[in-house]
Amino acid sequence: DQQVKQNSPSLSVQEGRISILNCDYTNSMFDYFLWYKKYPAEGPTFLISISSIKDKNEDGRFTVFLNKSAKHLSLHIVPSQPGDSAVYFCAASAQGGSEKLVFGKGTKLTVNP
Amino acid sequence: NAGVMQNPRHLVRRRGQEARLRCSPMKGHSHVYWYRQLPEEGLKFMVYLQKENIIDESGMPKERFSAEFPKEGPSILRIQQVVRGDSAAYFCASSRPDVNSPLHFGNGTRLTVT
Repeated sequence: DQQVKQNSPSLSVQEGRISILNCDYTNSMFDYFLWYKKYPAEGPTFLISISSIKDKNEDGRFTVFLNKSAKHLSLHIVPSQPGDSAVYFCAASAQGGSEKLVFGKGTKLTVNP
Repeated sequence: NAGVMQNPRHLVRRRGQEARLRCSPMKGHSHVYWYRQLPEEGLKFMVYLQKENIIDESGMPKERFSAEFPKEGPSILRIQQVVRGDSAAYFCASSRPDVNSPLHFGNGTRLTVT
């Protein structure tokens, strides 16, 4: 039973455009959400997080939106750069912290020059 | 400022052998986590440890797997009598004790069981 779903295995965008990565969850107890970026042969790198008391968090080119009623969150990257090409994982936690994260299967983003 | 260090990067074991994976957390981090990633899957939580204590091992298989984080030295994930299904990438992460402190991951150990 997948509690965190990333339904798009891959996404391709042009450099300079917006990348939108989506994530859905089923567990109403999740209250903390994170996005990680992963390059091949490396570990995931933390990008941005959002608590369930907020609906938006922004950090530079990265913005995460949370829609609790729809149990949906998205990561917006604007403008997209070729160096953003990686696998992006959505993760969620039900304990008010990030100790026990439940990860989606990831979306592979390709930004074309 | 070294990040989370895992070794070895690659480990090949024959069925029935033991695998030991090591993890040194980032400086100042007292919490360690182990995750496993099977091919084409997301990372799956295995265990959460603090120094000399296992806090949550709900993701650990009931048999053959164990983890420790001693007072001195790295955290160790030990897999006894490995089977082909144990082949995966094993990632260690660490964090500060603060609430909502994000996890910082190492580059993983890729275990191959032949």
